[in-house]
Amino acid sequence: SQELEQSPQSLIVQEGKNLTINCTSSKTLYGLYWYKQKYGEGLIFLMMLQKGGEEKSHEKITAKLDEKKQQSSLHITASQPSHAGIYLCGADIPHSGYALNFGKGTSLLVTP
Amino acid sequence: DAMVIQNPRYQVTQFGKPVTLSCSQTLNHNVMYWYQQKSSQAPKLLFHYYDKDFNNEADTPDNFQSRRPNTSFCFLDIRSPGLGDAAMYLCATSRDIGQTFFGAGTRLSVL
Repeated sequence: SQELEQSPQSLIVQEGKNLTINCTSSKTLYGLYWYKQKYGEGLIFLMMLQKGGEEKSHEKITAKLDEKKQQSSLHITASQPSHAGIYLCGADIPHSGYALNFGKGTSLLVTP
Repeated sequence: DAMVIQNPRYQVTQFGKPVTLSCSQTLNHNVMYWYQQKSSQAPKLLFHYYDKDFNNEADTPDNFQSRRPNTSFCFLDIRSPGLGDAAMYLCATSRDIGQTFFGAGTRLSVL
C-alpha cells in the first residue's frame, strides 16, 4: 500500500516568514491533494495536483508536484496567524472509489 | 452554505451502547465516504459508497456498519462502541475523481 510521509511533523514560524511542508510518497502519485484542518474540525480543500511538474497557487499558498511524481511541496509566503492549522497531503487509493490516503499531517503555528 | 453536514458535532456514548452518526450532502455527489481520525493521526478510510454500492475496507472492524438510504444521506452505525473507538469521524463526498468535500466531523467520546 502507498505511504505518505510528511515533514516536518510540526512547525512554529513567526508571522511574515515563509515556510515549506513536504509530502513524500512511497509510490508514484497520480493525484495529490492538499487539505487544511483546523483543530477539531473537518478538512478544507486547498489544491489538487495531477501532472508531474505541475504548480498551483492560491493567495499566498503554492503547491508543486515534482517531475518524478513522488513528492509534493506546499509553500506559504509571508505567513499569517490565519494560516495556522494542520496541513494534510492525500493521494488517491486505487480501487476505493477515489478515496484518499493521507499523511499524518504537519501542524503549523504562526506566532505574532 | 454548508455542503456536507454532519450531526451531531459532538456525541457521547457509553461503552457498548449503539450509536449512529449522520451525514447529509447538498452536492448530489455519487460517492460518500466515512473516515476515522484519531488524535494526531491521519484520517483512515472505513468504507465508501459508490452510488448504492457499499465498499468496506479490509481492516474496518465488523463493529462498524453503514447505511445510505438515498443519495443525500449516509449513516455510520457503531454497534458496540469500545474505548478505542473514540475519535473524530469525518464524512466526505466526491463526484468520481476530483475534489473531495469533507464535513466538519463528529467527535465521538466513549465513557
